Amino acid sequence: DTGVSQDPRHKITKRGQNVTFRCDPISEHNRLYWYRQTLGQGPEFLTYFQNEAQLEKSRLLSDRFSAERPKGSFSTLEIQRTEQGDSAMYLCASRGPWDPPDTQYFGPGTRLTVL
Amino acid sequence: SQQGEEDPQALSIQEGENATMNCSYKTSINNLQWYRQNSGRGLVHLILIRSNEREKHSGRLRVTLDTSKKSSSLLITASRAADTASYFCATSDMRFGAGTRLTVKP
Repeated sequence: DTGVSQDPRHKITKRGQNVTFRCDPISEHNRLYWYRQTLGQGPEFLTYFQNEAQLEKSRLLSDRFSAERPKGSFSTLEIQRTEQGDSAMYLCASRGPWDPPDTQYFGPGTRLTVL
Repeated sequence: SQQGEEDPQALSIQEGENATMNCSYKTSINNLQWYRQNSGRGLVHLILIRSNEREKHSGRLRVTLDTSKKSSSLLITASRAADTASYFCATSDMRFGAGTRLTVKP
């Protein structure tokens, strides 16, 4: 357990529904990352926050995806009008200001299944 | 798009044997990292090697980096059943490969 928590751990939804995931990073970690991982593949970068500012977004993050970190602590990732291709594990990671560069602590992930 | 690519995709060995996994990448890097992921879980950071380092050790792990060949290897010595997991390399811009699935049979 790295100290990064994600909720829910599993989500099953029907195509077209909206879903929202939450990530609680380690306390005082100012950097927060979202990744998507499909079966048999490595994680793919989605977006990155430093405090409340969203500094980078992957082109994978279509207009149906939105992420927020309003107070610089927890973050939410929302997917609107879900499609079957959105089925994946969504991973959150965080890093503190004094951690070695490029070292991230990953949460357990939220597994999304779109029927 | 993914940057690192691991080889082999799957590896099955007996407990006590050594396991070697390779990673190739495409662009210049500041460092390269290796992560482990148990089935259905998040990733655990194992080791980071900087671009000016050629070899690094941590316990039973040995990582090498050849920037001229844009490749890295992860060696796990005296493997244990608990080492069964997927292993990923990631470049300094956090682009991951598809991973090597390691199975250690007791």
